Amino acid sequence: DTEVTQTPKHLVMGMTNKKSLKCEQHMGHRAMYWYKQKAKKPPELMFVYSYEKLSINESVPSRFSPECPNSSLLNLHLHALQPEDSALYLCASSQGVLRRTPSGNTIYFGEGSWLTVV
Amino acid sequence: GENVEQHPSTLSVQEGDSAVIKCTYSDSASNYFPWYKQELGKGPQLIIDIRSNVGEKKDQRIAVTLNKTAKHFSLHITETQPEDSAVYFCAATAANFGNEKLTFGTGTRLTIIP
Repeated sequence: DTEVTQTPKHLVMGMTNKKSLKCEQHMGHRAMYWYKQKAKKPPELMFVYSYEKLSINESVPSRFSPECPNSSLLNLHLHALQPEDSALYLCASSQGVLRRTPSGNTIYFGEGSWLTVV
Repeated sequence: GENVEQHPSTLSVQEGDSAVIKCTYSDSASNYFPWYKQELGKGPQLIIDIRSNVGEKKDQRIAVTLNKTAKHFSLHITETQPEDSAVYFCAATAANFGNEKLTFGTGTRLTIIP
């Protein structure tokens, strides 16, 4: 089973709201990712968590706040967003194990959360 | 950093014909090259990948070839079917087994004409 589950599928929020996107995987993966995808563009990396610790932040504005409560869950907290932040937010995971395995770096994506900021 | 170029941006083929999408990368340290298919309203789905120690990999109607010297890799879909219509992304990364930074190509919109 190579499933990454994201909720909610759709979210509409005002610029003063606080909301969260959630991601879950039960593949025993130790690396989890947040990507942002605008229409007709490729996904862009936002954050990487490795063994529940933030390892990469691609200079993302602080109005996006990631959290990794445990090895299966990844959240993205949203606050004071702008209309230009409207996009598809994708969660992904990979084995992330430090030993090299044939599929150790294969990245699996969820279906995404469509965010609209009004 | 890595830069991945992908061509063509759109591709239309008759059902049953073959489709080829090409990508080039810039970073010689890149050693892992996945291909993703993204249908409308869905997340990217991994369809095939190749590592730098292999020159070609095939899975039923889908194949990928890699030329490390020229720094390019290609996706080949044979006997195309209407359900192959989607946007396809190539990607590259220097596998780090825990901090993978995929760099994506700009995507190819493939349309299969019945």
